[in-house]
Formats: sequence, C-alpha cells, structure tokens
Amino acid sequence: DTEVTQTPKHLVMGMTNKKSLKCEQHMGHRAMYWYKQKAKKPPELMFVYSYEKLSINESVPSRFSPECPNSSLLNLHLHALQPEDSALYLCASSQVRGLGYEQYFGPGTRLTVT
Amino acid sequence: KQEVTQIPAALSVPEGENLVLNCSFTDSAIYNLQWFRQDPGKGLTSLLLIQSSQREQTSGRLNASLDKSSGRSTLYIAASQPGDSATYLCAVSTEGETSGSRLTFGEGTQLTVNP
Repeated sequence: DTEVTQTPKHLVMGMTNKKSLKCEQHMGHRAMYWYKQKAKKPPELMFVYSYEKLSINESVPSRFSPECPNSSLLNLHLHALQPEDSALYLCASSQVRGLGYEQYFGPGTRLTVT
Repeated sequence: KQEVTQIPAALSVPEGENLVLNCSFTDSAIYNLQWFRQDPGKGLTSLLLIQSSQREQTSGRLNASLDKSSGRSTLYIAASQPGDSATYLCAVSTEGETSGSRLTFGEGTQLTVNP
C-alpha cells in the first residue's frame, strides 16, 4: 500500500478561525512532509518530520503549527491565516536514510481563506 | 542554492508521438532525482526515482535518464496517449540533510496529448 491520505479534501475558513489538516500513512515511513502549492507553481517545502521530531522548518510563519503525534500521523494546525495562504496543502512521506528515498504524496487539501 | 529548470514549459502533441521532457539542475551534489505527474487540482504521483549512482530507470512507456555531472535529466514517453496529459514535475534531493530529504522542484512541463 503506497497511499498517503489527507483530510479534509476542501476547507474554507475565515481569518479568525482555527482549523487542522490531517495526514496519515501506513507504509512504515519515518519521514513526513508538508508542502504548500500555489496555482501553476511547484510545491514548496514547509516542514519535515523525522522519527516524529521536527527536522526542517523552512521559516514558515507561526500561524502554521505542525504536529506529529505518532509515526503514522501528521497534522498542520492553522490559526489567524491570511487570504494569501489559500493554496493546495500537500503531505508526503518517505523512508529515512541520510537522504533520498522516494517521496509519496497525498491528494492534498484545497484551502481557501476568506 | 539549487535551482531546477524544466523545458519546455508546455508541450502539445498528437496521440502516438514519442516525446522528451527536459530537466536541468545547477548543483550536481544530488542524492536522487524524482519525476512526478500532477493532474489539475490533484496530488503528485511518483513516476520514477533515479538514485545519483544510476544512469536511467524504466517503467512501462516511461524512461528517465540522469547525467549528474552535467546536471541534466530527461523523461522519455513512448507512444503518448491522451491519458498522459498532465503536468510533469522534476525534483532533486540535495545533500546536507541528516534526516528526511529536501526536494527542490522545477516549474513543470504541461503536456497535452491530442486524440
């Protein structure tokens, strides 16, 4: 099973709301990733978790708060977002060995901030 | 800083044609290169992964090559079909990390295969 699942598929939230995106994988991968993708642009890395610990934060604003409760789950908590944060948020996972195992992506959550 | 360029940005071909998508990167110190396909509004589907020690990988009608020293990769699609229409993204995994991998993506090639 090479599936990464993400919920919800679509999310509309106001700038004062608090919401969470969820990602799950059951491939035994110990690295999980959050990416942000704007229309007609490639994905941009936001966060990397390795063995449930945050290993990379690409200087993402604090209104995005990642969490990795266990080796299969990855959350992204959202608070006080701006309209420019509207995008497709993608989760991915891979094995960990120094660098460079294949990354598997989920279908994404389409986020609209009003 | 690693930069990845994909040429062409868009390509339209008739069904049945063989085609080549190009990817170049500025820093040859990569661990691997991955080709993805993305349908509109969807996630990324991994097509092929080439480790830095490899020269090529094949999967069905797809063949990807890697010339690490010159910073180039090509994705060859044989006998194209309308179902191949999508955006194709090239991404390189760079050195220097101790956990997970940092992918740098190109801007993609938008492919349309006409029946």
